[in-house]
Amino acid sequence: DIQMTQSPSSLSASVGDRVTITCRASQGISNYLAWFQQKPGKAPKSLIYAASSLQSGVPSKFSGSGSGTDFTLTISSLQPEDFATYYCQQYNSYPHTFGPGTKVDIK
Amino acid sequence: EVQLVESGGGLVQPGRSLRLSCTASGFTFGDYAMSWVRQAPGKGLEWVGFIRSKAYGGTTEYAASVKGRFTISRDDSKSIAYLQMNSLKTEDTAVYYCTRALVTAILYYYYYYMDVWGKGTTVTVSS
Repeated sequence: DIQMTQSPSSLSASVGDRVTITCRASQGISNYLAWFQQKPGKAPKSLIYAASSLQSGVPSKFSGSGSGTDFTLTISSLQPEDFATYYCQQYNSYPHTFGPGTKVDIK
Repeated sequence: EVQLVESGGGLVQPGRSLRLSCTASGFTFGDYAMSWVRQAPGKGLEWVGFIRSKAYGGTTEYAASVKGRFTISRDDSKSIAYLQMNSLKTEDTAVYYCTRALVTAILYYYYYYMDVWGKGTTVTVSS
């Protein structure tokens, strides 16, 4: 199975900050990577697929990049509604494994 | 509006069975693959498995932790995906989400990624 890691596991940031989360796969997955946002008590929301393509309706402050084993999710200007946990997931091969998550909270 | 609604969760004893349903609306259900993802209390997301659309064979894939115990099926006439869970264990306690899955085709390979999520249904396995 492909193992996914994320760093940091948590971070504190202020409104307006630029935030970058890293996701690493244990082996190459081309660009078959998705990002999700989850707020407490809520279902996850799909943000990005194919490493850098925004899901419909997702604001352009979110961006993704990377290929192979190393990927990043960037939030250009953090807003109060962006405080949440973010997960990456590879869908290159089965099982479609998730990263452990990165919790973004308010500094 | 595209919507997925899970149902069927509840409290069940270890070793027993439970069937979850995911009722879809707002899109042509039969054209899409459907996935199940779970989240144990206080933990991260775990991919459970998925079922391809009939156009891609209607076949299934599962996580090792549930393979042989869980079965995913679909009824396109009713726009419902099912997760049949047998021989339940305490570690199956989680919120179960169903998702719609889109496909990207590259040569003869097909890659499925999730877009729409339901709100989830809670399964508690306890004696």
